[in-house]
Amino acid sequence: GNSVTQMEGPVTLSEEAFLTINCTYTATGYPSLFWYVQYPGEGLQLLLKATKADDKGSNKGFEATYRKETTSFHLEKGSVQVSDSAVYFCALRGTTSGTYKYIFGTGTRLKVLA
Amino acid sequence: DSGVTQTPKHLITATGQRVTLRCSPRSGDLSVYWYQQSLDQGLQFLIQYYNGEERAKGNILERFSAQQFPDLHSELNLSSLELGDSALYFCASSVATGANEKLFFGSGTQLSVL
Repeated sequence: GNSVTQMEGPVTLSEEAFLTINCTYTATGYPSLFWYVQYPGEGLQLLLKATKADDKGSNKGFEATYRKETTSFHLEKGSVQVSDSAVYFCALRGTTSGTYKYIFGTGTRLKVLA
Repeated sequence: DSGVTQTPKHLITATGQRVTLRCSPRSGDLSVYWYQQSLDQGLQFLIQYYNGEERAKGNILERFSAQQFPDLHSELNLSSLELGDSALYFCASSVATGANEKLFFGSGTQLSVL
């Protein structure tokens, strides 16, 4: 079945550091890929998405590229801020019958220090 | 504010008890998902309803059940509670089920089983 694997946290960075959170997936066909962010005490919010190979999703300075050849969708940001401290979830959604439900990774906690 | 309302925000109960969690989706959203978030398991998909009908089932225990009512609100019933059921339970809603589906999450119900 479909699955998502993302790097374990917590990840602790200083402000303005470069961020990479790795995410790889296993799926049949061509799933849609997502990054969700969960701020303390809140529900998950969609951060960015990509629906086909080589697409780049971007939002709020974060980027992720759908790499079919490496089955990856790594999240990057060039310069993190304290306000980026949150839990980040990689997710996929299948596009073939029977695979439509969302599958989430276990989440990676990011802590950014001033 | 995502527009998805979950009640109660916090619930403390004892082992063996039964509780009901409630979710009101965004206005117009037909699809409701339930997820369980625990520290060691990440975000686990439980069940999805679409316009009153069960659409997909995930890792939902037999002690758990859910339904979606004609006004589209949903309830998740957890019975014979065990310590391991302590977790954050999220509801999410979406308006569509196609490739452009986007989930909107509530802020969750924190269940503590003592």
